[in-house]
Amino acid sequence: QVQLVESGGGLVKPGGSLRLSCAASGFTFSDYYMSWIRQAPGKGLEWVSYISSSGSTIYYADSVKGRFTISRDNAKNSLYLQMNSLRAEDTAVYYCARCIDGMDVWGQGTTVTVSS
Amino acid sequence: EIVLTQSPGTLSLSPGERATLSCRASQSVSSSYLAWYQQKPGQAPRLLIYGASSRATGIPDRFSGSGSGTDFTLTISRLEPEDFAVYYCQQYGSFSWTFGQGTKVEIK
Repeated sequence: QVQLVESGGGLVKPGGSLRLSCAASGFTFSDYYMSWIRQAPGKGLEWVSYISSSGSTIYYADSVKGRFTISRDNAKNSLYLQMNSLRAEDTAVYYCARCIDGMDVWGQGTTVTVSS
Repeated sequence: EIVLTQSPGTLSLSPGERATLSCRASQSVSSSYLAWYQQKPGQAPRLLIYGASSRATGIPDRFSGSGSGTDFTLTISRLEPEDFAVYYCQQYGSFSWTFGQGTKVEIK
């Protein structure tokens, strides 16, 4: 079945780095835009970034621009989010999602905690 | 960026009642690229509506979306017990996507 599974979350100190992964299965990954969305504890959803099917088009939210990098490997059916210069306010559950007329498939999320 | 403002913040209703949720955009949403999601505690969001008014696969017909330009509405015609949750609108018509802050539909 169609599935997205995130991994790579954890506890990191302010200023540190982390790389999230999202493994896709059950569909032709290379046909779809993909996105990262996050949700801070007790808060709403915040779009983080998206990447086109080929990887040639990328956009970021202003809150992460210059610190986060989205990428994909279509041969490995995988999406990535490299997060650098992490701040306390980056603490959240990070979801990856498939994008086609909205975001129709979501992973279960991976938790990132930025704390000293 | 396009700011989406959802109202009300909380809606207290009983099962069987009609729910009307509003999402207002700070500028026109291109081609009605507006989606609605439902999120329950501890779960990932679920796509309900895309293109302002099209139901996603498997979504019951008691959920409907309407609107264009800057004003959009999600209507749940008769609330079922499983519909009590938080609902978010999201626009994907500009280069920078955004979500509304959410509306919680709670049991009265």
